[in-house]
Amino acid sequence: GQQVMQIPQYQHVQEGEDFTTYCNSSTTLSNIQWYKQRPGGHPVFLIQLVKSGEVKKQKRLTFQFGEAKKNSSLHITATQTTDVGTYFCAGRQGGSEKLVFGKGTKLTVNP
Amino acid sequence: SAVISQKPSRDICQRGTSLTIQCQVDSQVTMMFWYRQQPGQSLTLIATANQGSEATYESGFVIDKFPISRPNLTFSTLTVSNLSPEDSSIYLCSVRTGAGETQYFGPGTRLLVL
Repeated sequence: GQQVMQIPQYQHVQEGEDFTTYCNSSTTLSNIQWYKQRPGGHPVFLIQLVKSGEVKKQKRLTFQFGEAKKNSSLHITATQTTDVGTYFCAGRQGGSEKLVFGKGTKLTVNP
Repeated sequence: SAVISQKPSRDICQRGTSLTIQCQVDSQVTMMFWYRQQPGQSLTLIATANQGSEATYESGFVIDKFPISRPNLTFSTLTVSNLSPEDSSIYLCSVRTGAGETQYFGPGTRLLVL
């Protein structure tokens, strides 16, 4: 079945450093979605990528979808303490209604 | 986006009992899902709640343990039956609106089974 691998599992950074998390799918995806879950909270939708090679930005966050639509990344520039949380990618295979989640990357930011 | 509420937000239950979780959405949605998230883990899909018909369960989840209802386009319930400590988890309702394929999550129900 479809699998979505996400690395790293944990990332500790100093405030101001950059952060990147990567997702790889075993199959071609129709789209990929990114979520942020704060400690004690629920997953909050960040963005959806649909097109091959797509790049989207939200302030300090940059999201990329690979040309083959099998991988994606989330990059945060100059992290802040408010960026703390677990970032999940989730992909959907064409023709499937099911959203498959990666294991998440837990980001901690030291002030 | 959709505004999703879940009740209860948390509960502590004794083993052998059952808990029913309600999910209410502020607008009609095309699809509703139930997920489980064990502490420190990712999200696992339990089932897709289908309006007017039986839910579609993922491998490892069965209707007898997780009966689901969806009487209309804005409401669904998940029951976790015959509780054991292994059922301690966060249960999340998720919806997809007709506007696109974006999927949103409710605030979750934190269940502790003693």
